[in-house]
Amino acid sequence: DSGVTQTPKHLITATGQRVTLRCSPRSGDLSVYWYQQSLDQGLQFLIHYYNGEERAKGNILERFSAQQFPDLHSELNLSSLELGDSALYFCASSAHSGTGGAGYTEAFFGQGTRLTVV
Amino acid sequence: GENVEQHPSTLSVQEGDSAVIKCTYSDSASNYFPWYKQELGKRPQLIIDIRSNVGEKKDQRIAVTLNKTAKHFSLHITETQPEDSAVYFCAASKVTGGGNKLTFGTGTQLKVEL
Repeated sequence: DSGVTQTPKHLITATGQRVTLRCSPRSGDLSVYWYQQSLDQGLQFLIHYYNGEERAKGNILERFSAQQFPDLHSELNLSSLELGDSALYFCASSAHSGTGGAGYTEAFFGQGTRLTVV
Repeated sequence: GENVEQHPSTLSVQEGDSAVIKCTYSDSASNYFPWYKQELGKRPQLIIDIRSNVGEKKDQRIAVTLNKTAKHFSLHITETQPEDSAVYFCAASKVTGGGNKLTFGTGTQLKVEL
């Protein structure tokens, strides 16, 4: 168990709908990252939040948004869903890395949410 | 941004043989290189990592080497066992005070045959 909790584990929804994926990071971790894993695209970075603030954006569609709350849990919102959005969505967390490099700690992944759009 | 290439995409070895997976990265500022193992339908799990100030790191049957000049790093698994069968991902990142965004390679499906 990595200590990162994602809910729900599975989600089946129809095209055009909106869903919310939830992630609780490891206790004390300030950074939350969202990744999308599809068969043809591998693991793609979507977005990074650090202590409630957005820090970096990757290949995240405008239909997708995320936020990190004061208690450090994060939600990924996916709207106007398309068949191609079907994928595994992973959340990962890491501790504050201080000055970087020597202070870094690894990223721990949750079990993922498998989204199926039908 | 960072781009990571990984080879081979599939690798089949006999039990007891060694397996080598290679990755190259594009951003010379990247300073952290983890390797993840992912079994079917499960989360990626870190198996070993290396920082840019180190050229080689070993943990039992697993070792990673880094060549900063050539911008490539490799995973070596010795005495492979059936339970090593999985997909392996390399990744690269430029760790900052605020966190660590990983750019992943496309994965290597390792199959260890009896």
